[in-house]
Amino acid sequence: DIQMTQSPSSVSASVGDRVTITCRASQGISTWLAWYQQKPGKAPKLLIYAASNLQSGVPSRFSGSGSGTDFTLTISSLQPEDFATYYCQQANNFPLTFGQGTRLEIK
Amino acid sequence: QLQMQESGPGLLKPSETLSLTCIVSGDSISSGSHYWGWIRQPPGKGLEWIGSIYFSGSTYYNPSLKSRLTISVDTSKNQFSLKLSSVTAADTAVYYCAKEIGFGDSPEYFQEWGRGTLVTVSS
Repeated sequence: DIQMTQSPSSVSASVGDRVTITCRASQGISTWLAWYQQKPGKAPKLLIYAASNLQSGVPSRFSGSGSGTDFTLTISSLQPEDFATYYCQQANNFPLTFGQGTRLEIK
Repeated sequence: QLQMQESGPGLLKPSETLSLTCIVSGDSISSGSHYWGWIRQPPGKGLEWIGSIYFSGSTYYNPSLKSRLTISVDTSKNQFSLKLSSVTAADTAVYYCAKEIGFGDSPEYFQEWGRGTLVTVSS
């Protein structure tokens, strides 16, 4: 199985800050990577697919980059509704696997 | 507008079989192009892909669950189902059904999710 490792596990930031979350795959996955946002008690929401493609309806302050083994999710200017847990997911190999999550908290 | 609703028992005893159904409305499973999947999340933990199915019945399973897992589809009822046998406490989780994005010929990313249903395994 491909292991996905996110860092940091948690981060504190303020409204308006720029935040970057990283995801590392245990082997190369080209650009077969997605990012999801999950709020407490809710289902995950797809933000980014194929490493850098913004899902329809997702604000442009979210962006993704990377290929191979190293990927980043950037939120350019944090909004109050962005405080949540973020997961990466690889789709290069089966089984599909997720990172352990990064909790984004209000400072 | 697509809606997906998981249904099934919320409490099971060890060794029983977990059975869940995802009822889809606002979209037709038979329209093709998309896989339909199950993902679970133990309380306070991360996400685990369980498996996915195409309207034709073609499936992809997580090998860690494959020996206990059956995913099926009923296009006449526009729903798909999950059966997981011989459950233990480790199977306690919120179970989500989801619609895959549909760009390729295998499951990739999940663009729409149900609300999820908590299944607890306890004696």
